[in-house]
Amino acid sequence: GAGVSQSPRYKVAKRGQDVALRCDPISGHVSLFWYQQALGQGPEFLTYFQNEAQLDKSGLPSDRFFAERPEGSVSTLKIQRTQQEDSAVYLCASRMTGAGNTIYFGEGSWLTVV
Amino acid sequence: AQSVTQLDSQVPVFEEAPVELRCNYSSSVSVYLFWYVQYPNQGLQLLLKYLSGSTLVESINGFEAEFNKSQTSFHLRKPSVHISDTAEYFCAVSGYQGAQKLVFGQGTRLTINP
Repeated sequence: GAGVSQSPRYKVAKRGQDVALRCDPISGHVSLFWYQQALGQGPEFLTYFQNEAQLDKSGLPSDRFFAERPEGSVSTLKIQRTQQEDSAVYLCASRMTGAGNTIYFGEGSWLTVV
Repeated sequence: AQSVTQLDSQVPVFEEAPVELRCNYSSSVSVYLFWYVQYPNQGLQLLLKYLSGSTLVESINGFEAEFNKSQTSFHLRKPSVHISDTAEYFCAVSGYQGAQKLVFGQGTRLTINP
């Protein structure tokens, strides 16, 4: 497709359940980012990939959060043993290589933990 | 490290009135500056960006922002707003090096009243 695609768009998980969120970046985009956006807040950085290499995971809030991009295209963000504070919109974004290039965002995966 | 402060969480204005959304940033290094817009139930879209050169940058839909290095500001303005401008607006910065990840402000909700 033409844009960043994320699935599922909406996910309700019971506390303690594991979830997996998928991101399909724009074709040819080397850089991929995951952000977390809590209700009424700005997006917060989680992790960054350049191709298949995870170069920055400083924003992952705990070891329950794990991201991968094994073939340098599709990425999955996994959250283990979900807790209520994990409820947020998870945004994926991608960018062509090169300084100052635009970062394009998907519509997000809305996670609600009950 | 960078940080962004959006001074107003909500800005209500009447249709066809001018508006200014304020953004200040803090950084120990030179930065790129961005404004993103988020319409209800949609992803973030780039509105405009400052990379270098002229300190005044414009978008295709009438918004403009001016980079002021001495005041570390990047305020967004529009001389006459429309109902369709109702959205959440996010100011963001990124460094020149590494991942060039975006650091966002908390957002300003712009509400246009008829």
